[in-house]
Order: sequence, then C-alpha cells, then structure tokens
Amino acid sequence: SQQGEEDPQALSIQEGENATMNCSYKTSINNLQWYRQNSGRGLVHLILIRSNEREKHSGRLRVTLDTSKKSSSLLITASRAADTASYFCATDERSGNTPLVFGKGTRLSVIA
Amino acid sequence: GAGVSQSPRYKVAKRGQDVALRCDPISGHVSLFWYQQALGQGPEFLTYFQNEAQLDKSGLPSDRFFAERPEGSVSTLKIQRTQQEDSAVYLCASRQGGYNEQFFGPGTRLTVL
Repeated sequence: SQQGEEDPQALSIQEGENATMNCSYKTSINNLQWYRQNSGRGLVHLILIRSNEREKHSGRLRVTLDTSKKSSSLLITASRAADTASYFCATDERSGNTPLVFGKGTRLSVIA
Repeated sequence: GAGVSQSPRYKVAKRGQDVALRCDPISGHVSLFWYQQALGQGPEFLTYFQNEAQLDKSGLPSDRFFAERPEGSVSTLKIQRTQQEDSAVYLCASRQGGYNEQFFGPGTRLTVL
C-alpha cells in the first residue's frame, strides 16, 4: 500500500511560472525525500529533508515539511520545459532502516 | 562514478515463463532495495537486503517472487511462472547508510504476454 498522496495528480503550467506540489503522509517519519521521474526512466533524487527540519533549498527547488500536519510541499521556481516529469514524495518511517514509501506522484507538464 | 545499473532494460515474457532481473548497486552501498512500479503509480516496496542478508521480504506479492544477493553486491530478482499482473517496471535502489537517500537504477520494464 502507498502511504502518501501527492496533490495535484496533474499540473500544467507555462515556462517561467512556479510549480507547487503537495504531499501528505500517514505515519511518523525519519525523513522525507522528493524524486523526479521522466517518462520511462528511473527515479532521480532531488532533495531530502529530515523530520527536524522545516525548510530546505536546492537551486530552484524549495521543500517545506510540516510534521504536525504530516505534509510537505515542493516548489519549483522559474520552471523550464525540461522540468516536465512526474514528481514523487517518499518517506522513511521513524522505526528504523525501512524502505521508502511512495505516493502516487504529480505529473507536471511545463509548456514552452 | 557509476550509478545503479539494471539489466535487461526491457523484458518480454510469455505467461508461465521464468525471468531473472539483475541489479548492480553503487560500489560500497550496504543496503539494496527492490521496488515494483505499476503504470501510473508510485513504486512499491518488494524486498530489502543489508549486505547479503535479506532483512525484509514483506512486499513480495507471492512465493513466485524470489530475490538474492549472495555476495552482498549484485542482486537478482527472479519471478517464476510469470503472470500478466507481474507486468510492471522493477526498480532497484541502493543506499550507503541507514538514513541517506536511495539511488535508483533505470529499471527493468517487464511485459508478460
């Protein structure tokens, strides 16, 4: 079963706009990670945020984490056509060295 | 440096055939995970190794699925008597330590006819 849910399921924006994707999860976590997946390809790790962190930046990416609401958001600023992909959040449960639990993903389309 | 590699990238099998999928993790990575990704869904956990020990196989959908990592590096996921519902992308990931990011391979797309 999948723990998280990304919202929205699909998002279409113009190049240069910002894209915001949200993720909710169910259990206590050790960290939360965001991955990108281009069609037919493997997952590329974007950013990891630990449970004691509230915000993290990496280039054009900004991730927030609200453990009280069990939610996270991924913001991509100044989007490019090359950002078109599916984006997944994945959580590591607090109980130890456990596998990642993924949501169903947000399919982002950036139109040039 | 080399990332995680998987082979074959694509596999077409007739129903009832056995298949073997290979994963070469990043050198030195202790943990290795297998995931199954159905079309339009996120990856779902199958099994996990720490070195050669299979510590968790709770995600394997049936006893037709078997995984091994005999020397603590390369891993093989075997599916016996494949069924159409086994059609999916099989992803392998490795991780250096317990709480770091997982690095994924490109996946093997299995189609069972």
